[in-house]
Amino acid sequence: DIVLTQSPATLSVTPGETVSLSCRASHSIGINLHWYQLKPNESPRLLIKYAFQSVSGMSSRFSASGSGTEFSLNINNVEFDDVSSYFCQQTQSWPLTFGSGTKLEIK
Amino acid sequence: EVQLVESGGGLVQPGRSLKLSCVVSGFTFSSYYMAWVRQAPTKGLEWVASINNSGGTTYYRDSVKGRFTISRDNAESTLYLQMDSLRSEDTATYYCTRLVDYWGQGVMVTVSS
Repeated sequence: DIVLTQSPATLSVTPGETVSLSCRASHSIGINLHWYQLKPNESPRLLIKYAFQSVSGMSSRFSASGSGTEFSLNINNVEFDDVSSYFCQQTQSWPLTFGSGTKLEIK
Repeated sequence: EVQLVESGGGLVQPGRSLKLSCVVSGFTFSSYYMAWVRQAPTKGLEWVASINNSGGTTYYRDSVKGRFTISRDNAESTLYLQMDSLRSEDTATYYCTRLVDYWGQGVMVTVSS
């Protein structure tokens, strides 16, 4: 199975900061890596697909990069509404797997 | 507008069965793979099962193989998850999803005596 390791587990930031969340795959997955935002009592929301492709309707403050085994999600000018957990997921091979998530908090 | 509406959740005793349904609208259901993903209380996301667009090929995580069955009715644009021999560790909110982009609102399944 492909293991996705996300870091940090928790990130506490000040509004206006720019942050970078990491997702590392145990095996190369090309660009078959997707990022989701998950808030309590809400459905997962796709932020970025295929490593770096933006999603219609999502804020341009979210961007991502990477390929192979190293991926990152960047959030520019963090806002209070960004308080959430962020998960990466690979669709390179079965079983599909998710990272354990990064929880973003606002100071 | 794309909609995925799950139903069928509830409280069930260990060892019993439950069947989830997901009615889809807003896209050509028969053209896409579909999946079920779950989130246990205070835990992260966990892929459960996927099915190809025709329904002829299915995929499962190891912990549900032999107990869960994913299926679909393309004529009715409906996805199903038959869950047998349920365990306490199956307690979660179950999401129907057209990975990666569209997700239902989720349905809660609680396995407890």
